[in-house]
Amino acid sequence: KQEVTQIPAALSVPEGENLVLNCSFTDSAIYNLQWFRQDPGKGLTSLLLIQSSQREQTSGRLNASLDKSSGRSTLYIAASQPGDSATYLCAVPYNYGQNFVFGPGTRLSVLP
Amino acid sequence: GAGVSQSPRYKVAKRGQDVALRCDPISGHVSLFWYQQALGQGPEFLTYFQNEAQLDKSGLPSDRFFAERPEGSVSTLKIQRTQQEDSAVYLCASSLVGDTEAFFGQGTRLTVV
Repeated sequence: KQEVTQIPAALSVPEGENLVLNCSFTDSAIYNLQWFRQDPGKGLTSLLLIQSSQREQTSGRLNASLDKSSGRSTLYIAASQPGDSATYLCAVPYNYGQNFVFGPGTRLSVLP
Repeated sequence: GAGVSQSPRYKVAKRGQDVALRCDPISGHVSLFWYQQALGQGPEFLTYFQNEAQLDKSGLPSDRFFAERPEGSVSTLKIQRTQQEDSAVYLCASSLVGDTEAFFGQGTRLTVV
C-alpha cells in the first residue's frame, strides 16, 4: 500500500528566506507526483506536476524535484513571501490512477 | 466550466439527516474523485469514477455513503443518516484521465450537529 509522508509538519520562516519542503513515498512505481497548495478553508490548488520521467519542474519561484528510486520529492520555494503562507501537500497516483494518496501536508508561515 | 465547482460550500445537518453534495467537474474530464478531509489532515480517498462507471469505492467509510455520476459529468455524494464523525470537508477533483493532473474544487464543509 502506498504511504506518503511530509517533513516538516510545520515551518515558520521570515520573509525572503529560501526553503525546502520534503515528501516521501513508499512505492516508487509512480507515474507522477503532484504538489498542491491549500489555503485555510479552501480547496486544493495544483502547483506543479512532475512526470516520472522528469527530475525537475519549475514554475516561477517554485521548483520541484523527483527522485523515484529513493522515493522522495522536494519543493523548493525561493525568496518566500507572506502570501506563500498555506499548507503544502504532495500526492501520488495509486492503483493505475484511480486514487491519489496524499501526504499530511506542511503548514508554512512566512512572517513579514 | 473553468474549474471544478462544488455546492453547497457549507452545510449544517442535524444528526440523522440525509445530505447530498454536488460536484461539477471540468468539462471533458473523464476521471472524477471524491475525498474527505478532516481538520489538520490530508485528504482521504473515498471513491473514483471513470465517466459514469464507479470503478473504486473502497474508501467509502460505510454503507451510509453513496456516490453517483449517472451521465458521466455531474456527480453527487450522498450521506444518509449523518453522524457527528461525518463532519469534514468533502473535496471533489477531476482529471482528463486517471493519472494526469488533478484539479480540485473548493470543497463542501459539512458540520453535523
